[in-house]
Parts: sequence; C-alpha cells; structure tokens
Amino acid sequence: GESVGLHLPTLSVQEGDNSIINCAYSNSASDYFIWYKQESGKGPQFIIDIRSNMDKRQGQRVTVLLNKTVKHLSLQIAATQPGDSAVYFCAEGRDDKIIFGKGTRLHILP
Amino acid sequence: DVKVTQSSRYLVKRTGEKVFLECVQDMDHENMFWYRQDPGLGLRLIYFSYDVKMKEKGDIPEGYSVSREKKERFSLILESASTNQTSMYLCASSLSAGGQDSYEQYFGPGTRLTVT
Repeated sequence: GESVGLHLPTLSVQEGDNSIINCAYSNSASDYFIWYKQESGKGPQFIIDIRSNMDKRQGQRVTVLLNKTVKHLSLQIAATQPGDSAVYFCAEGRDDKIIFGKGTRLHILP
Repeated sequence: DVKVTQSSRYLVKRTGEKVFLECVQDMDHENMFWYRQDPGLGLRLIYFSYDVKMKEKGDIPEGYSVSREKKERFSLILESASTNQTSMYLCASSLSAGGQDSYEQYFGPGTRLTVT
C-alpha cells in the first residue's frame, strides 16, 4: 500500500547543532509535502510545506528538501534549540487530504 | 490566530455508550477533519467535511459518524463506544479545498478518550 514513513523513530541532537529529519514516501502523485511539529500535550502544528515541482524551500531556521527521484523528503533545523524538542511528522498532501507519517521524536541534548 | 477548540481534554466512557466529541473553529474555514492518533500508527483520518452538511469518509470511518450543521462546528460521534476506540482524537480545520491552503491544517489540542 501507499505510505509515508520515516527512517528513524528517535533522533538525539546536541543543542546548537543542526538537525536533519528524513522521510520516505511512495506516492509520486502527491501535490505537496508538509512537515508538522507536535509538542507534548498539543496538537500538530504546521511548520513548512513544499510543492512537488520544487526541490528546496526555506523558512525561519528550517529548510525542506525534496528529492523526487528517490522519493525522499527531509527537514533541516538550524541551530537546534530546546524548544525544538517534539515529534515531527512528514505528510503528503493529495486531493485536499493529508496522509501523515508515523513521526520522529527529536530529543535535544544539553 | 486560528483557534480550534475541542470540548474535552480527557473523557472516560463505558463500552456501548454513545459519545460525542465536539470541535469548533473560529476562522471561517471550509474544511474540517477528525483524526485519531495512536502510538506507532501516527495520525489516521476518520472523516472530513468540505462544507456544511457535507461529509466524506477518511481512512478509518468504521464505528464513527460525523455531523456538520454549522460551518464552525464539526462533531464526531461514536454510536456505541468500544475499547478499541480508546485513543487521542484530534480535530483540524483548513481553508478551502483545491490548493496549498488545504494542507495547512490547524489542530485542536486533542481529546484523550478512554473506553472501559
């Protein structure tokens, strides 16, 4: 079946370092790819998205890269801070619906 | 700021009870969604709605129904709660269908439902 998945369930990063969270997808028909952040006790929060006709998009301290050849998506967080500690979900947007991956927990080391 | 509120943060119900989960958004969004979130399974779409009185099945609609009588309110109904419906339920809303805005969903804080 079609799915959106993540390579690692947990990622530990030293505070101040850059974080890279990876994601694989299988459906090349998706229009958009999105990253959501979910902090403990809260609902997911939109971070950034990228259209399928782009390969890179930057936001504030975050960059999303899309490699359609290998169906790979990544989220890069620059200068990781304690407030970045959360579960990150990659997701595919298709037909106005979102299909979420299972999430990666980002753990910040002091 | 968009605000999506859910009627309860925690709910405990007995098997067989009828359960109503309410969701309200204050940004005049056309789209509203109900998900459940379970460890290891991520978020799974139960039902969604593009407009008042309109509903579409998501990936796991069995055992659930929904109601959207007003644009700002989307209710999830468990007709006869079962223990396998113990989960975190998340409501979301987004702007109109047909484009990038559809994928920027705003989520409520969630309702943790326990069915005993």
